[in-house]
Amino acid sequence: LAKTTQPISMDSYEGQEVNITCSHNNIATNDYITWYQQFPSQGPRFIIQGYKTKVTNEVASLFIPADRKSSTLSLPRVSLSDTAVYYCLVGDFNNAGNMLTFGGGTRLMVKP
Amino acid sequence: DTEVTQTPKHLVMGMTNKKSLKCEQHMGHRAMYWYKQKAKKPPELMFVYSYEKLSINESVPSRFSPECPNSSLLNLHLHALQPEDSALYLCASSQGGGVIQPQHFGDGTRLSIL
Repeated sequence: LAKTTQPISMDSYEGQEVNITCSHNNIATNDYITWYQQFPSQGPRFIIQGYKTKVTNEVASLFIPADRKSSTLSLPRVSLSDTAVYYCLVGDFNNAGNMLTFGGGTRLMVKP
Repeated sequence: DTEVTQTPKHLVMGMTNKKSLKCEQHMGHRAMYWYKQKAKKPPELMFVYSYEKLSINESVPSRFSPECPNSSLLNLHLHALQPEDSALYLCASSQGGGVIQPQHFGDGTRLSIL
């Protein structure tokens, strides 16, 4: 199973770019990488998903190096409202339980 | 507001009570999930339904009984729960039956067992 490792917590300031890295050394060929954001007392929210290279949407970018053993979620110009827990998940269609296992997550605190 | 609606938002019950948690989505998703989340911990998968059939049961105690009456509804029946079952129970859905597709989560039911 592709286990993920993330920093437990990170601090940042408003307006800065935040990069959260996830390690997944034994990622399999068919595995995708998905990131979720969770605010207190709410369910997780999908942020972005990718397989290789770079993916960008309106809220974030996901950078995946060629060996795919890690990935970096990039949040541009964070605000106080980006304070949340960010989860990285790795898995594929054929291993449902793997994709559905949340790692410990990274608790991001954005300060004024 | 989320596209997955869970009711009730809060539930307090005794260990001998029987109650049900409800989850509803109208996005045409064919996979639905129950998760349990303790404070400051990640969500833990409990059950997965794909096309209204139970496809994954993560060794959950029988005091939790899931039910999927149709493709839009998911229930979790509770009976004889223990204090350690107090947690946030999250429902999610995803398009088709493929778990690679992003999951849409509700905001959960916060359950307290007295």
